[in-house]
Amino acid sequence: DVKVTQSSRYLVKRTGEKVFLECVQDMDHENMFWYRQDPGLGLRLIYFSYDVKMKEKGDIPEGYSVSREKKERFSLILESASTNQTSMYLCASSPSGKARTQYFGPGTRLTVL
Amino acid sequence: GEDVEQSLFLSVREGDSSVINCTYTDSSSTYLYWYKQEPGAGLQLLTYIFSNMDMKQDQRLTVLLNKKDKHLSLRIADTQTGDSAIYFCAESISGDYKLSFGAGTTVTVRA
Repeated sequence: DVKVTQSSRYLVKRTGEKVFLECVQDMDHENMFWYRQDPGLGLRLIYFSYDVKMKEKGDIPEGYSVSREKKERFSLILESASTNQTSMYLCASSPSGKARTQYFGPGTRLTVL
Repeated sequence: GEDVEQSLFLSVREGDSSVINCTYTDSSSTYLYWYKQEPGAGLQLLTYIFSNMDMKQDQRLTVLLNKKDKHLSLRIADTQTGDSAIYFCAESISGDYKLSFGAGTTVTVRA
């Protein structure tokens, strides 16, 4: 079974703090993704990575950065958290190949006060 | 995703069949997916269909694909209260790492 884990289920931070969200997958997948999910807006892609140390911007990268130093781990960084970054953050991974099936972690509910 | 559209809400009586519909616009879609999200959880892959298939059945789930109309549907037979969730349709485009997701259909099962 594919397993994608996220470092926290719930997180509360203050405005201006630096926030790290970590994601680990155990299936040797090449591709990893960070999304945020907000009511009425569906899933929006923040960043993705198709290989170690490689990253590409998604639809809403502003205010975020990412790091992928090892194949199994993909980190999302909020350099200076703001209240409008309060959201549900979902990590996913997928193999390369024809079927780009994405497998999701349980999500991190981040609240920025 | 702007290229994948779903109705936002569906209410169904327990024991009835649910049908969730999705339309997509990219004719080069290779795989089409259905995901389920329960409250406070991540997305769980339910099933997927390759674009050269018309139908796929997996226990209570039936996926129908109409390539001409670019229409995908998910039928859940004998809907149960545990089927209450948000259901996302998604497509993968040949040569692209990403999936394009619909906004999700919230299914409510009433007794």
